[in-house]
Amino acid sequence: GQNIDQPTEMTATEGAIVQINCTYQTSGFNGLFWYQQHAGEAPTFLSYNVLDGLEEKGRFSSFLSRSKGYSYLLLKELQMKDSASYLCAVRDSNYQLIWGAGTKLIIKP
Amino acid sequence: NAGVTQTPKFRILKIGQSMTLQCTQDMNHNYMYWYRQDPGMGLKLIYYSVGAGITDKGEVPNGYNVSRSTTEDFPLRLELAAPSQTSVYFCASREGQGESDGYTFGSGTRLTVV
Repeated sequence: GQNIDQPTEMTATEGAIVQINCTYQTSGFNGLFWYQQHAGEAPTFLSYNVLDGLEEKGRFSSFLSRSKGYSYLLLKELQMKDSASYLCAVRDSNYQLIWGAGTKLIIKP
Repeated sequence: NAGVTQTPKFRILKIGQSMTLQCTQDMNHNYMYWYRQDPGMGLKLIYYSVGAGITDKGEVPNGYNVSRSTTEDFPLRLELAAPSQTSVYFCASREGQGESDGYTFGSGTRLTVV
């Protein structure tokens, strides 16, 4: 079966750095996406990785290791508005997205 | 440019009733999707479409139907609503030209079946 694993919840302090991990087992791999979802709202696109390595986009970075079936999202200089759920999704061999359940990130002052 | 528009935002249905969730996008995207999101679970694909006149089943299609008569519209039909269909429904679209193009989501429909 196909599986995406993320921690259910994480807590971090405003101004700090947090790393959200995602491991996956899918039938094929055609890219990995990270989305942010604030409570009661729609997911919004954050990043895309298809090759191994780090992709940096402002305060957010995303890393991929295809051999390990592993990705992480790194958030720097945390702000209160970063309190949200972060969803990891892998595009499989059928070009469909398989979604993790999301990691709820709580930011404390 | 409104993006992806979903209506209604909230709805309460009685068991056995039917309804249509509307989804419209104004970005001329070829690909459109319907997902449901249940607490503690990842988004599940219900149906998708790669262009006008073409639809296909996703992971959890039972109890639902779709149509794609135009590029813009992708309505989701629930026939004979059941409590198991209580969920938040998201419509999404993507252009389909680039590997890295992210999905644009509508604001969601929160459906309760009682």
